Amino acid sequence: DQQVKQNSPSLSVQEGRISILNCDYTNSMFDYFLWYKKYPAEGPTFLISISSIKDKNEDGRFTVFLNKSAKHLSLHIVPSQPGDSAVYFCAATYGGSQGNLIFGKGTKLSVKP
Amino acid sequence: DTEVTQTPKHLVMGMTNKKSLKCEQHMGHRAMYWYKQKAKKPPELMFVYSYEKLSINESVPSRFSPECPNSSLLNLHLHALQPEDSALYLCASSREYQNEKLFFGSGTQLSVL
Repeated sequence: DQQVKQNSPSLSVQEGRISILNCDYTNSMFDYFLWYKKYPAEGPTFLISISSIKDKNEDGRFTVFLNKSAKHLSLHIVPSQPGDSAVYFCAATYGGSQGNLIFGKGTKLSVKP
Repeated sequence: DTEVTQTPKHLVMGMTNKKSLKCEQHMGHRAMYWYKQKAKKPPELMFVYSYEKLSINESVPSRFSPECPNSSLLNLHLHALQPEDSALYLCASSREYQNEKLFFGSGTQLSVL
């Protein structure tokens, strides 16, 4: 049973537009959420995170929104750039054990020039 | 140096072979992790070492044997693997076990024949 779900395997966006990547979770114990980005032949790299006490966290072009009642989070990238093309993993954890990340399956983002 | 280095990048082994995967970081991180990722699946946690002691073993079969010789090195010894163990093996580290930022290596792509 998947506790972290990314239902869109892929997303294609025009350069300069907004990319919105979605993630749903089922475990209400999760209290920390992270997004990782992965290029081919590289390991995932940390992008942005959000604690369950917040509903928004912003870092440059990247903003993560958390809707706890809906158990949903989203990553917004504005403006999207071709270099953002990668697989984006949503991950969640709880109880301060932030090494025990539960990952979603990932969404492959393609940003077209 | 903000890298986690994994060797080898690719490994092909038979079911009777013994091989080892190696991981190294020089960021002073005290937590190190092994993840397994099969194609089109999310990374799954296998082992966590905190201060060179095994903290978590996620019910991994004994044909996988982790070792943490010192705070910078993490090995994964492989013996009598099965073809279904073919996957990308990712090493990661973080400053402490309860720290949200994991730094991942590029992984070892393992094929078991």
